[in-house]
Amino acid sequence: DAGVIQSPRHEVTEMGQEVTLRCKPISGHNSLFWYRQTMMRGLELLIYFNNNVPIDDSGMPEDRFSAKMPNASFSTLKIQPSEPRDSAVYFCASSLGGLSGNTIYFGEGSWLTVV
Amino acid sequence: GESVGLHLPTLSVQEGDNSIINCAYSNSASDYFIWYKQESGKGPQFIIDIRSNMDKRQGQRVTVLLNKTVKHLSLQIAATQPGDSAVYFCAENKGRNKLVFGAGTILRVKS
Repeated sequence: DAGVIQSPRHEVTEMGQEVTLRCKPISGHNSLFWYRQTMMRGLELLIYFNNNVPIDDSGMPEDRFSAKMPNASFSTLKIQPSEPRDSAVYFCASSLGGLSGNTIYFGEGSWLTVV
Repeated sequence: GESVGLHLPTLSVQEGDNSIINCAYSNSASDYFIWYKQESGKGPQFIIDIRSNMDKRQGQRVTVLLNKTVKHLSLQIAATQPGDSAVYFCAENKGRNKLVFGAGTILRVKS
């Protein structure tokens, strides 16, 4: 049974470039979450989708960050333009029906380095 | 320059001993809590969860205890094994499906 699939696993990019991270949630899950993990701030929720609709994007750092979920099996997190402080591990996670008793499953993460 | 970041508490235990990892949460209205394990280079992995209408839940070798009076959560691992070495996070549902993670605790198992 495939888990949450993220790509790329690792990316090194130059400051100012556009970065697109991709996520395929677990089949049948209707909630999708993007998290960022850094040494400074730990694991932070960036945005949460339910049935492909963004429900809470209050964690998105600034306008350079955007996320989309065009269908139930695909989501993207885009950073444009990227900055060195965006270097982090970005996790996508999915669950069946959001929280309140529904387990959130995480992907293996996309390790982003902006130089 | 000096490195600044989260200072994670570390728990070192001998293989075979029991481990207890503690977590304090902030919101008395939180109704759902989860423990995750994160190994180096991997994503957080679900261990066990508990709802606020319970005070104890057991899994395989793991037990989660919830004390709502003092807003405290603990994870007990029986007969700790080297494969249990990882960072452990507690997370609380603060409402609107916002799962907020604690800073984490490093568990080191000595053979």
